[in-house]
Amino acid sequence: DAGVIQSPRHEVTEMGQEVTLRCKPISGHNSLFWYRQTMMRGLELLIYFNNNVPIDDSGMPEDRFSAKMPNASFSTLKIQPSEPRDSAVYFCASSLEWVGDEQYFGPGTRLTVT
Amino acid sequence: KQEVTQIPAALSVPEGENLVLNCSFTDSAIYNLQWFRQDPGKGLTSLLLIQSSQREQTSGRLNASLDKSSGRSTLYIAASQPGDSATYLCAVFWVGNSGGSNYKLTFGKGTLLTVNP
Repeated sequence: DAGVIQSPRHEVTEMGQEVTLRCKPISGHNSLFWYRQTMMRGLELLIYFNNNVPIDDSGMPEDRFSAKMPNASFSTLKIQPSEPRDSAVYFCASSLEWVGDEQYFGPGTRLTVT
Repeated sequence: KQEVTQIPAALSVPEGENLVLNCSFTDSAIYNLQWFRQDPGKGLTSLLLIQSSQREQTSGRLNASLDKSSGRSTLYIAASQPGDSATYLCAVFWVGNSGGSNYKLTFGKGTLLTVNP
């Protein structure tokens, strides 16, 4: 299996622009997670899905952030409009069944907002 | 609110030494605890997952223990190697205040381990 796939790997954009991050979970995995990692705040869980349904989005920082999972093999995290403080590495992870199962992480997307 | 603390923030040891990394959490009502490894510029790799009913898990040179009552977990690395150099993070899976279906996951900030040849 190719593992969790994220694209793009790097994104540089200007403040105010829309940014869309993409994730393909491991085939057969039913739970998907979006994280953000910064030096100041460490790794934060933003939202997770189970069977394509958002279960907990309490970690989403504000309304500028939205996430979707239209099918079992694809998810997006969108930031609109982007701000410099959104600069971070965004990780996607998936697990087999339950949200408490072992998680497999993607390589991350490094986002820089200037 | 669950808080996860990892001490020390950084650790440097000579090759071959046995070492212990620490993780503490404030709310003992957890489902499980996971230890991850993160290499620079990479995603996280799961090392060990301990269920709340377990006391320890072992994988090769790694042994993780869990003491729920004291809110502590340790990751023991035997005979350390330069290839073990990485950041090690622990994550606690627990139930939020709003009820049984509101699962939460909280990470510590990690311990940066350097094993010197």
